[in-house]
Amino acid sequence: GQQLNQSPQSMFIQEGEDVSMNCTSSSIFNTWLWYKQDPGEGPVLLIALYKAGELTSNGRLTAQFGITRKDSFLNISASIPSDVGIYFCAGLPFMNRDDKIIFGKGTRLHILP
Amino acid sequence: NAGVMQNPRHLVRRRGQEARLRCSPMKGHSHVYWYRQLPEEGLKFMVYLQKENIIDESGMPKERFSAEFPKEGPSILRIQQVVRGDSAAYFCASSPRHTVETQYFGPGTRLLVL
Repeated sequence: GQQLNQSPQSMFIQEGEDVSMNCTSSSIFNTWLWYKQDPGEGPVLLIALYKAGELTSNGRLTAQFGITRKDSFLNISASIPSDVGIYFCAGLPFMNRDDKIIFGKGTRLHILP
Repeated sequence: NAGVMQNPRHLVRRRGQEARLRCSPMKGHSHVYWYRQLPEEGLKFMVYLQKENIIDESGMPKERFSAEFPKEGPSILRIQQVVRGDSAAYFCASSPRHTVETQYFGPGTRLLVL
């Protein structure tokens, strides 16, 4: 089946640092989604992207839909302790007629004291 | 408006027992989706239901797993004769319509099979 490769798997950063993570696929996607999952909770949608090249912000978060339609990026500026969690990319593959979301394996963000 | 509710939050079963997971969608949401998350993995689609109907069950194992969304009451994901490999977090999401960005996830049920 289709897979999303998300990197890095884990990040250890200092508070205040900027964070970048990305998601790639071998096939074209026509929707990209970024979620955050806190421990013991379900994922919460952060940003949805629908067009190649689209750049969308949500507070300190910015995500981009890659122009090749095979990748997406999420940036977090000036990280704070509550940013800790798992960030998942997800998407709808092109020609996916049944609208089933494909999830990446997540990037685990840790903030060092 | 309360969010998506799932219970129990944690469930321990011995091999061969049955597990019943419940999902109460948000008010006004008639679309329910179940996902499974294995440790260190992303969520994987299992089944999509719309009141009283199973629309897409292509992600659900053919044996031992079943799902329903009755006219009244919560959606139920039922796993019969559980095995250790069924241990996972099971999430449901509900939506007012069949679009990906309107799916709201519940907190999940963590199933542990001993």
